[in-house]
Amino acid sequence: DTAVSQTPKYLVTQMGNDKSIKCEQNLGHDTMYWYKQDSKKFLKIMFSYNNKELIINETVPNRFSPKSPDKAHLNLHINSLELGDSAVYFCASSQAGGVTDTQYFGPGTRLTVL
Amino acid sequence: ELKVEQNPLFLSMQEGKNYTIYCNYSTTSDRLYWYRQDPGKSLESLFVLLSNGAVKQEGRLMASLDTKARLSTLHITAAVHDLSATYFCAVDLSSNTGKLIFGQGTTLQVKP
Repeated sequence: DTAVSQTPKYLVTQMGNDKSIKCEQNLGHDTMYWYKQDSKKFLKIMFSYNNKELIINETVPNRFSPKSPDKAHLNLHINSLELGDSAVYFCASSQAGGVTDTQYFGPGTRLTVL
Repeated sequence: ELKVEQNPLFLSMQEGKNYTIYCNYSTTSDRLYWYRQDPGKSLESLFVLLSNGAVKQEGRLMASLDTKARLSTLHITAAVHDLSATYFCAVDLSSNTGKLIFGQGTTLQVKP
């Protein structure tokens, strides 16, 4: 039973292309996140949605657009991919207002832009 | 701007030894988390520390929080090879939004 799942696991594409990464959680959480982990393992939050509402929107190029069709899904669409977008993208979810608000992470999507 | 700094960033140790990883943060926070990441894998939640003086233990790992000093520690007792991984601390800027600021990570290598 996968709690937070992402597809695809690997994504190799050319510069200038548009791609999407999908995330689904079956934990019943109401908040979902996207993080970027660079080649030095540094993790930075990009976006967060609570019940389909955008609540965190960090300084990210507007080529990145999150979409949440429902509270169990959060997708990330990237336009005009650049070399610097190569990274591992993690989706996470949590129950806001819970005792711990622990975020549970998906397996990650390794994006390589050639 | 909140900064979260871990040290050391890399730690190589022999099995059976003890060591401590430090996590300093620059502003007050509601809570602090420790995560583990194996190479090529996801992040696994280890501990959440909610108040000053909080101490949590699981197996050979023990985490503590001193909110006055803005310091958390992750202590490893009698390390074993299976503990080799990268450990991250993360500070929650606001419990209302769940905005986690991560430290740089400490890569632990335990040699048999």
